[in-house]
Amino acid sequence: AQSVTQLDSQVPVFEEAPVELRCNYSSSVSVYLFWYVQYPNQGLQLLLKYLSGSTLVESINGFEAEFNKSQTSFHLRKPSVHISDTAEYFCAVCPMDSSYKLIFGSGTRLLVRP
Amino acid sequence: NAGVTQTPKFRVLKTGQSMTLLCAQDMNHEYMYWYRQDPGMGLRLIHYSVGEGTTAKGEVPDGYNVSRLKKQNFLLGLESAAPSQTSVYFCASSYVGSNQPQHFGDGTRLSIL
Repeated sequence: AQSVTQLDSQVPVFEEAPVELRCNYSSSVSVYLFWYVQYPNQGLQLLLKYLSGSTLVESINGFEAEFNKSQTSFHLRKPSVHISDTAEYFCAVCPMDSSYKLIFGSGTRLLVRP
Repeated sequence: NAGVTQTPKFRVLKTGQSMTLLCAQDMNHEYMYWYRQDPGMGLRLIHYSVGEGTTAKGEVPDGYNVSRLKKQNFLLGLESAAPSQTSVYFCASSYVGSNQPQHFGDGTRLSIL
């Protein structure tokens, strides 16, 4: 079985400050890892994913996440946040032996203040 | 390109009433999914489909039924609505493969009184 833990339910931060959203997972099989973002009153959108290769992956809007296999973590970071980054962020894993099963964390609400 | 479209966007029901939520995708995806989102619990899979005419139970299937008569549509039914089914429902679709991201609709907010 798999599980995903997002340690912070809400992260308040000032504009232009750095931020890290933490994600840890547990799985008996290898997994693919995803970060999704949900803006108010919208569905989830893929932010970035780790499938293989370099453990550092980047999104087009300045976020990055690093896969750490030994610590079973996939933390999301941004060096300087904007007001428009205010949203809820979900970490998710998909076991490599399953073609449909996406397991989500409980989400972290990022609140960027001016 | 509309992506994944859900109808309706909002609905209020009384306990015991029935309704159907419609999901349509125009990306020729094989897989489709229904989730519910509740505060502090992330998204939980209700039912999913790996192709036209096939459906399967997810993590929380009780009280729901689904049908996939056409590849592009996935319907979620509540036969006898209960207050515990008050939630935001999301439909998603994807290509085949565990490395394929899922594409989500904007959700249906459902309140059961």
